[in-house]
Amino acid sequence: DAGVTQSPTHLIKTRGQQVTLRCSPISGHKSVSWYQQVLGQGPQFIFQYYEKEERGRGNFPDRFSARQFPNYSSELNVNALLLGDSALYLCASSLGVRGHEQYFGPGTRLTVT
Amino acid sequence: GENVEQHPSTLSVQEGDSAVIKCTYSDSASNYFPWYKQELGKRPQLIIDIRSNVGEKKDQRIAVTLNKTAKHFSLHITETQPEDSAVYFCAASMGFGNEKLTFGTGTRLTIIP
Repeated sequence: DAGVTQSPTHLIKTRGQQVTLRCSPISGHKSVSWYQQVLGQGPQFIFQYYEKEERGRGNFPDRFSARQFPNYSSELNVNALLLGDSALYLCASSLGVRGHEQYFGPGTRLTVT
Repeated sequence: GENVEQHPSTLSVQEGDSAVIKCTYSDSASNYFPWYKQELGKRPQLIIDIRSNVGEKKDQRIAVTLNKTAKHFSLHITETQPEDSAVYFCAASMGFGNEKLTFGTGTRLTIIP
């Protein structure tokens, strides 16, 4: 029974670069949410996608974008990276509209230098 | 938007004793309240959750209580064990297709052998 998977595990980028993070939800789950977790803080909501449509967006700049594919996997893109974007990026999957339980992937540790 | 406050930020208890972590939320429309356990360098793990139509829920040594009127909910861990040491996060969401989780700031629980 595969859980949520994310790639890559770790990533080091330079300021101004662009990054793409990937997430595969639990089989049968149609909703994917992205969260940013800065060291020592709780996760902050970035996006939710359900059936390939954006269902919610957190308080993040337009440099952050995401999409969901027909197989329900998802990508998070961040452009023009800033030092403050360094964080653990978590993907969570859930059944969707009726299923509230969200299960997190292992995360991608992004370091911006 | 929703705001979740969590106390205490750190908690140390003797092995075998009980631990209680408390959270308050601001938006009366929130109806789903999960608790996550996060060990160092690992993903947040859903350990228990409660919906607004229920006042209490138990799962072995873990219980969660909800007071909708006061807008607060608590996590209770009994007979604590060393493996309970971790950071615990409470969260709230409105559900009904809006699955954005708003997290508390976390409680670092240390079990003293």
